[in-house]
Amino acid sequence: DAKTTQPPSMDCAEGRAANLPCNHSTISGNEYVYWYRQIHSQGPQYIIHGLKNNETNEMASLIITEDRKSSTLILPHATLRDTAVYYCIVSQTAGTYKYIFGTGTRLKVLA
Amino acid sequence: DTGVSQDPRHKITKRGQNVTFRCDPISEHNRLYWYRQTLGQGPEFLTYFQNEAQLEKSRLLSDRFSAERPKGSFSTLEIQRTEQGDSAMYLCASSLWPAPGPRNTEAFFGQGTRLTVV
Repeated sequence: DAKTTQPPSMDCAEGRAANLPCNHSTISGNEYVYWYRQIHSQGPQYIIHGLKNNETNEMASLIITEDRKSSTLILPHATLRDTAVYYCIVSQTAGTYKYIFGTGTRLKVLA
Repeated sequence: DTGVSQDPRHKITKRGQNVTFRCDPISEHNRLYWYRQTLGQGPEFLTYFQNEAQLEKSRLLSDRFSAERPKGSFSTLEIQRTEQGDSAMYLCASSLWPAPGPRNTEAFFGQGTRLTVV
């Protein structure tokens, strides 16, 4: 599975959009981009995933560049409860969920 | 369904003791995964099962570690002769494979068991 690179930390004002970038320049054609987040002392929580098209659900939007070498997770209106570590993972959706987590981005939402 | 359940949530043990953790996956999920997470790091894959068959084990899973899923439902992870380096959060996840559709492929994680070896 391809490796990902994320900034170690970011701050965001409450109510503003949080844009979390992820670089996955070695992604292959059949690999999906998954995003999870982990709130302190809890298990990772699934947010969204995509292959090449932009995706949106009730939690977030995922923008994947045309060359698929990077993506951005967008939390449209961040709240204090969105403070967490966000992980970007590249994985073959049809294979195992042997996710390779990096160290993620620690997002802090400020009041 | 209440999601993936792990028991206990916390375990403190003395070095050299054996410990066992339990994971109850989402009921219809046939795949079950174990991960380990140390402070400040992302989770690391340990092993996974499809039904009762253990299909893959990481090199992280030393011979002191053993995982079982005897009836393809709940799973146990045992650590024998615990060492201080085993102190970590042990996470269990489950998924359905093959997924019913492209939007149902994610794995669901439990809250984890935090092990402290003193």
